[in-house]
Amino acid sequence: QQPVQSPQAVILREGEDAVINCSSSKALYSVHWYRQKHGEAPVFLMILLKGGEQKGHEKISASFNEKKQQSSLYLTASQLSYSGTYFCGTENPNGYALNFGKGTSLLVTP
Amino acid sequence: DTEVTQTPKHLVMGMTNKKSLKCEQHMGHRAMYWYKQKAKKPPELMFVYSYEKLSINESVPSRFSPECPNSSLLNLHLHALQPEDSALYLCASSQDRYLHGYTFGSGTRLTVV
Repeated sequence: QQPVQSPQAVILREGEDAVINCSSSKALYSVHWYRQKHGEAPVFLMILLKGGEQKGHEKISASFNEKKQQSSLYLTASQLSYSGTYFCGTENPNGYALNFGKGTSLLVTP
Repeated sequence: DTEVTQTPKHLVMGMTNKKSLKCEQHMGHRAMYWYKQKAKKPPELMFVYSYEKLSINESVPSRFSPECPNSSLLNLHLHALQPEDSALYLCASSQDRYLHGYTFGSGTRLTVV
C-alpha cells in the first residue's frame, strides 16, 4: 500500500541532475510529489493524473507511467534550494487520501 | 488566504491530560486530513474528512478523536496519550480528494511525558 521510493538518499553538486523514482504494487490513477525541508511542512510540487502525463515546475518535472505503476521526478541543474526530502504519494486503498513513500533525502552542495 | 493554520505549534502533555489540536483553513477546501509524522519518517494518515464527514479512519486508537465543526475547522482531541504518541501532527486540506494537491499546515510538535 505504501509506494516504494528510490534512492533513499542523494548528494549532488549544484548544477547536477537527479532522478527519484516511485513505484507501486497496485494500479495507480494519480501520483503526488511533495518536498519537505527540515522542520517545515511538506510542500506540494505537482500531481500527475493520467498515464504518460508529464508536468514541470521550474526545473523540476515528473512523468507517470501507469502501465509500469511508477512515476519519476526529474531535478535538472539542481540548486541549493532543492535540498530536502521528497515524498511521492499515492491513493490509499480505503478511499482517496494519500499514503506516502518513505522519502528520498536530497542534499545539494555548493 | 492560502494557508493552513495549526495551533498550538508546540504542546507538552502528561499521559493523563486532555488537550486539543486545532487546524483552520479559509481556502474553501472541502477535504481535510490529519497526519502523524515521526522523525525521518513519512507522514502517516490518521483521519480524512470530506465535506465535514469522516470518510477514512486508519484504525487510529480511540485516544485520538477528530472533530470537524465546520468546513474551515478541524480539531484533534487527545486523551490519555502514550509517550510513543509524541510526534509532529500535520493537518492538510485539499480542494477535493481526487484532483488537487494538499496544502499542509506547519504542524503541532507534541511531546507526551
